[in-house]
Amino acid sequence: GAGVSQSPRYKVTKRGQDVALRCDPISGHVSLYWYRQALGQGPEFLTYFNYEAQQDKSGLPNDRFSAERPEGSISTLTIQRTEQRDSAMYRCASSHFGGPQHFGDGTRLSIL
Amino acid sequence: QQQVKQSPQSLIVQKGGISIINCAYENTAFDYFPWYQQFPGKGPALLIAIRPDVSEKKEGRFTISFNKSAKQFSLHIMDSQPGDSATYFCAASTEGGKLIFGQGTELSVKP
Repeated sequence: GAGVSQSPRYKVTKRGQDVALRCDPISGHVSLYWYRQALGQGPEFLTYFNYEAQQDKSGLPNDRFSAERPEGSISTLTIQRTEQRDSAMYRCASSHFGGPQHFGDGTRLSIL
Repeated sequence: QQQVKQSPQSLIVQKGGISIINCAYENTAFDYFPWYQQFPGKGPALLIAIRPDVSEKKEGRFTISFNKSAKQFSLHIMDSQPGDSATYFCAASTEGGKLIFGQGTELSVKP
């Protein structure tokens, strides 16, 4: 595709459920980043991959959050046992190695 | 030390005026400083970026000024237009790594 694609665009789920958010990066982009953006704030780094290898997961808030990119392309961010505080916009970005990051339009997650 | 501080939080400018947004950082290891523009409902879009080996970069109506000794950088939008009304984020990173974003500036350009 032409840009970074994220799905679903909106996700509403009950507290305690697991959710999986998908990111399809720009074709050929080696690096893939996950961010979380609260309303009125800048994106906050969660984790990133080069190819299939997770390079930095220092921004993941706790062990309920995990991410994978098994074939070095599509990535999934999984949140287990969701809590209301997990409600936010989750954004994915991709880039060529060391290049500028291009963002998707995000997944709006709401935990009831 | 990982923070990037951005000001002002909001800015109103008349059409044709100059919009100026400022950012400051602490981590001297940062070597890449992009600015992103975000419209409602959309993801941040890269506007312009600079590395610390230059003091200024200009692309069209957008200019980044960079002061390495003061650890500050700013975005200047010349001849501001209503279509420039958006939220602007500065950011900083080390090469190939995570972006640390400022808090954002909501710019409104009045006709």
